[in-house]
Amino acid sequence: AQSVTQPDIHITVSEGASLELRCNYSYGATPYLFWYVQSPGQGLQLLLKYFSGDTLVQGIKGFEAEFKRSQSSFNLRKPSVHWSDAAEYFCAVNLGAAGNKLTFGGGTRVLVKP
Amino acid sequence: GAGVSQSPSNKVTEKGKDVELRCDPISGHTALYWYRQRLGQGLEFLIYFQGNSAPDKSGLPSDRFSAERTGESVSTLTIQRTQQEDSAVYLCASTEQGNQPQHFGDGTRLSIL
Repeated sequence: AQSVTQPDIHITVSEGASLELRCNYSYGATPYLFWYVQSPGQGLQLLLKYFSGDTLVQGIKGFEAEFKRSQSSFNLRKPSVHWSDAAEYFCAVNLGAAGNKLTFGGGTRVLVKP
Repeated sequence: GAGVSQSPSNKVTEKGKDVELRCDPISGHTALYWYRQRLGQGLEFLIYFQGNSAPDKSGLPSDRFSAERTGESVSTLTIQRTQQEDSAVYLCASTEQGNQPQHFGDGTRLSIL
């Protein structure tokens, strides 16, 4: 079955430390890949996307993600986290076929220690 | 407004009642999606509208759920005879044609007593 997995439910990181959030997908072809962030009580904001081309993509708020076809992964990274990065992060994919509906991972909640 | 607008932001109702949730997409966005987010979980796709094409209803969990959209404007998601397991945040998203990223509203938090 097609799926998106975010292995880490919670991650706690100190302010100023680096952050990496894992995402793996299970699809026959390379899907379109997205990372979204959700602050409490709010909708989802797009951080970055990968459609094709350079496998290292830059997003907003200092985030980047790397697509690795061999590992079916699309991990999100930030070199130095800020307290405002505390939120829930969702990896999502779509197959680029008609419909464009997103399949989401279960999310990773990031807590930032001062 | 500039973004996707959803109303109400919060809805509390008794089990067995019908509820109607509204989504106003970004102007010019032809595609509209509804998702459900249960507490502590990711989003589940419910239904998708694209222009005047027949909607993709493949994610609707039961026949108590239905949605309508007139043209490329407002959509309403209706849940009949609500059950406690319907408690969730219902998120709406819209996008331009193609595979452009989806823009999400802030959601409606539905609580069934």
